[in-house]
Parts: sequence; structure tokens; C-alpha cells
Amino acid sequence: QSVLTQPPSVSGAPGQRVTISCTGSSSNIGAGYDVHWYQQLPGTAPKLLIYGNSNRPSGVPDRFSGSKSGTSASLAITGLQAEDEADYYCQSYDSSLSGCVFGTGTKVTVL
Amino acid sequence: EVQLVQSGAEVKKPGESLKISCKGSGYSFTSYWIGWVRQMPGKGLEWMGIIYPGDSDTRYSPSFQGQVTISADKSISTAYLQWSSLKASDTAMYYCARHRVPLQQLDYWGQGTLVTVSS
Repeated sequence: QSVLTQPPSVSGAPGQRVTISCTGSSSNIGAGYDVHWYQQLPGTAPKLLIYGNSNRPSGVPDRFSGSKSGTSASLAITGLQAEDEADYYCQSYDSSLSGCVFGTGTKVTVL
Repeated sequence: EVQLVQSGAEVKKPGESLKISCKGSGYSFTSYWIGWVRQMPGKGLEWMGIIYPGDSDTRYSPSFQGQVTISADKSISTAYLQWSSLKASDTAMYYCARHRVPLQQLDYWGQGTLVTVSS
């Protein structure tokens, strides 16, 4: 089972702001390891959305932002658009497992 | 342009062996770790393990240790994921992806290889 917990789903109307939480523990996020976020559109491979807690790769709109505090991290999407409807995953490193771990995933629905 | 191109979909029977591939191009293949990620039908992402093609140093997630073998042939810029005896529960989409920094973000992904194991 995943060691990073996300809400199964979040929804919002076009133009609204939604946030997705990613809750870890003292062996991963709480230990200071970076959190990264991925977007997976239906039927496609995941795409890196945020790296190093709050950095956007080239080409990712600034509507997407990330933050981290304590044992948790968050992804915010402002100005929600229909094309943002996808699954979102957080990822970090876990020292007790000596490897990477993904969050449980969150489905974003645009109403 | 960085690209990871994976081998095509496979349909196998329980007990059969399988090796799928991931060919990198557009960057120095021996300088970045390659990770493998499983996604079972309708489920989330699971990190399986990682290999450094430069020297074939390999690490596995405890959940996958002993269940699969990760390897690489740097002469043809290709990483592999293999099974010696498939089970129905191995049915999944498998992605390879490049670790931009070891054990950190995965910045480029392959298109995925669907493995179906059914009698």
C-alpha cells in the first residue's frame, strides 16, 4: 500500500481553485525529502507537473503550484479548466523503504 | 528531444517468461537512472525499481524484489524489465521513466507497455 495519502477525488467548476493534499510521515516528506507531482490524462502516461516541491518544468502553466509543510504537501490548480480533468499523483523518497513512493492518486473532475 | 520508447503490448499465459524494453534517445543514456513504474488496471502508480545504465547498479522496491529483474544494455541505450514466471496478477501497464535526479523526479516517461497475463 502507498505511504503517501491523497484524497480520492476533488472537483470544481471552471475558473475555480482546487487543492490536492499529500500526507506522508517522518520517513518521507517529514524527513525533508522533496515532493513531486504528476498529471495523468486518461489513457496516457504520467507527466511531470511540479518538481522539488514548488518548481514547474518548462511548458507547465503557472495555474499549477506546489507547496510543502511538515509531513504534507499540496498541489493547487487555479483557474480550473476542462483540460485539467485528470488523475494527479504526488511522489517522494522514503528512507525506510530506500526508494521512491507515490501517493494514492486524486481524480480531479471539472463540473 | 529526449524520448523513451517502449516495446509493444504483450499477451502471455501464467508461468511464461517475458522481457519488455525501453529505448532511450536524445540524451546521454548512461548518465541518468531509469525507473520502472507499474499501474494495475484502474489503480495508482507503483515504483518498482531503478537502474543506472552506466554501471548497471540496480535497486528494487521491497514489494518487487525477487519478483522482477531490471537490466540494461548501454551499447543500445535500452533498459529492460523481465519476469521468469508470470502470474495473472502481473497484468498491468508498465512505464519506464528517466530520473532527472537519482531517486527524485521522473522527468520523461515512456508510452507504456501493457502486459496481459491470462490462461
